[in-house]
Amino acid sequence: RKEVEQDPGPFNVPEGATVAFNCTYSNSASQSFFWYRQDCRKEPKLLMSVYSSGNEDGRFTAQLNRASQYISLLIRDSKLSDSATYLCVVNVGGGFKTIFGAGTRLFVKA
Amino acid sequence: NAGVTQTPKFQVLKTGQSMTLQCAQDMNHEYMSWYRQDPGMGLRLIHYSVGAGITDQGEVPNGYNVSRSTTEDFPLRLLSAAPSQTSVYFCASSLKGGGGQPQHFGDGTRLSIL
Repeated sequence: RKEVEQDPGPFNVPEGATVAFNCTYSNSASQSFFWYRQDCRKEPKLLMSVYSSGNEDGRFTAQLNRASQYISLLIRDSKLSDSATYLCVVNVGGGFKTIFGAGTRLFVKA
Repeated sequence: NAGVTQTPKFQVLKTGQSMTLQCAQDMNHEYMSWYRQDPGMGLRLIHYSVGAGITDQGEVPNGYNVSRSTTEDFPLRLLSAAPSQTSVYFCASSLKGGGGQPQHFGDGTRLSIL
């Protein structure tokens, strides 16, 4: 079983749609959690950190459920520019080792 | 405003050759790391360093060596290249390790082993 699992997609949605991505992690000692975005053939870039209380950044909302070892990302009012791969990321091993999920592809169409 | 700089951007090697992928950061970050990214597998941690003179193994360290003689530089050495090492390699840095710190990535090195 992979340490961090994501639905690979692809998710194909129209502009303006709301889309949700899910991620599960296996290590209960995981300490910190992030969502990164990666455009085709580019480097990953931090989208947002994920906190137990949930956090929002504009159209993006991230949630963490430690009991279920589950992380989510909600994108509201999707834009064409949101088309990318979204990577779920977990820090383990005292926070020094970072485990990436394989990513979920999103295509937003006009 | 360079951030994390990786060289080269592309490289083709023959099986058995050795080479060094360079990584430098100008943000005075303590933590640096190397990943490889293969289709369908996401990024996997190869080696990491929490400061000059300190390195440790990640998830897939075999066939790779690292050193950290300065805060700025963290080169990755392939000792004897194998086709299984064909991949995209990313170097990343963060202010400190220990969780809670987002990582900044270089542009990547696309490496092919024939």
